[in-house]
Amino acid sequence: EIVLTQSPGTLSVSPGERATLSCRASQSVSSNLLAWYQQKPGQAPRLLIYGVRSRATGTPDRFSGSGSGTDFTLTISRLEPEDFAVYYCHHYGSPPLTFGQGSKLDIK
Amino acid sequence: EVRLVESGGGLVQRGGSLRLSCVGSGLTFSNYWMNWVRQAPGKGLEWLSKISQGSSVVHYADSVKGRFTISRDNARNSLFLQMDSLRDEDTATYYCLADFDYWGQGTLVAVSS
Repeated sequence: EIVLTQSPGTLSVSPGERATLSCRASQSVSSNLLAWYQQKPGQAPRLLIYGVRSRATGTPDRFSGSGSGTDFTLTISRLEPEDFAVYYCHHYGSPPLTFGQGSKLDIK
Repeated sequence: EVRLVESGGGLVQRGGSLRLSCVGSGLTFSNYWMNWVRQAPGKGLEWLSKISQGSSVVHYADSVKGRFTISRDNARNSLFLQMDSLRDEDTATYYCLADFDYWGQGTLVAVSS
């Protein structure tokens, strides 16, 4: 099983600033089958990034994904008020599929 | 617009059973691997099970193996999760997920003693 560890657990940032969230896998993620989701309170998760770096339809270009192997990053270049939420990374390759524990983006 | 709508959640006694459904629209349902994912109150996401397009391949997380059964009916654009021997720790919102793309809004399952 691939264990995904996200850091930091909580990040306090001001609107307009840059945020960098990390996702580290316990073993190499095959075929770059890694996604990022955004979840707001009371809502279902929403796909932001798939295949490590491809933006989903409707994802603003201030969101970017990068990385390979075991280390992955979600970067939000200029935070907007609507970006404050919880973010999860997800490996969707060979079962069992797994999610990171989440990183919460707080308004500073 | 793609929509996935779950139903079937509710309050159930420990040891009881429940069957969840997920109906898809706006997508070619039969083209997608389908998953069930849950989220306990205030916690993160937990993948439970996936099923191939033609139902020939299924996988389960260890936490539900032997208790939960995933199935689908492509003619009705529907995905199911039969949950038996329910435990307190199965209390969660249950989501269906098409591949990695599309999520339903979730259905809440509460297991009481």
